[in-house]
Amino acid sequence: NAGVMQNPRHLVRRRGQEARLRCSPVKGHSHVYWYRQLPEEGLKFMVYLQKENIIDESGMPKERFSAEFPKEGPSILRIQQVVRGDSAAYFCASSPNTPGQGANYGYTFGSGTRLTVV
Amino acid sequence: GQQLNQSPQSMFIQEGEDVSMNCTSSSIFNTWLWYKQDPGEGPVLLIALYKAGELTSNGRLTAQFGITRKDSFLNISASIPSDVGIYFCAGPNSGGSNYKLTFGKGTLLTVNP
Repeated sequence: NAGVMQNPRHLVRRRGQEARLRCSPVKGHSHVYWYRQLPEEGLKFMVYLQKENIIDESGMPKERFSAEFPKEGPSILRIQQVVRGDSAAYFCASSPNTPGQGANYGYTFGSGTRLTVV
Repeated sequence: GQQLNQSPQSMFIQEGEDVSMNCTSSSIFNTWLWYKQDPGEGPVLLIALYKAGELTSNGRLTAQFGITRKDSFLNISASIPSDVGIYFCAGPNSGGSNYKLTFGKGTLLTVNP
């Protein structure tokens, strides 16, 4: 009965490299959300995806960042040409339906990927 | 955008003491959520509040949804060492983007055994 699985747990990249963060949602969940947490800050919404569709990417920087949730396989958050300011913890969450339906906030968060850009 | 202000930023208490922390906002929230984040882990939902004035308990934890809908508090009674962590309040955006959560900056709790 696995929860949300994120890998890798820790990722170190040099400036200018690409970072690919993976998220496998809870089995049967078709809604995925990515959040970013800077040091000593709360989590900030980045993007909301359903299978093969981006629903809301309003919290994601328009340049260098992209996300996908293909029909098969995990959701991927991709950061191209990383810079020091991208260093943060990136969390993925999933839900079986849109939170808020029936007053149910069934978000399950993964353990996160901690990205360090050197 | 919506913002949540949590206080205190950090607390150092002795095992067995009770703890109280709160969260305020300049705008109304229709749902308040309290999460705990252990070091190196993701946040875990502790309590969800859906009605103004609602008081809900989960073991030693009690949370209340403020009557003005602009605040909430979380109490922990008889703290134990495993209560250590960061406690976040959060609330969903209003309207059509209620899947999007706004988080406070958290209260860091340290419990001395």
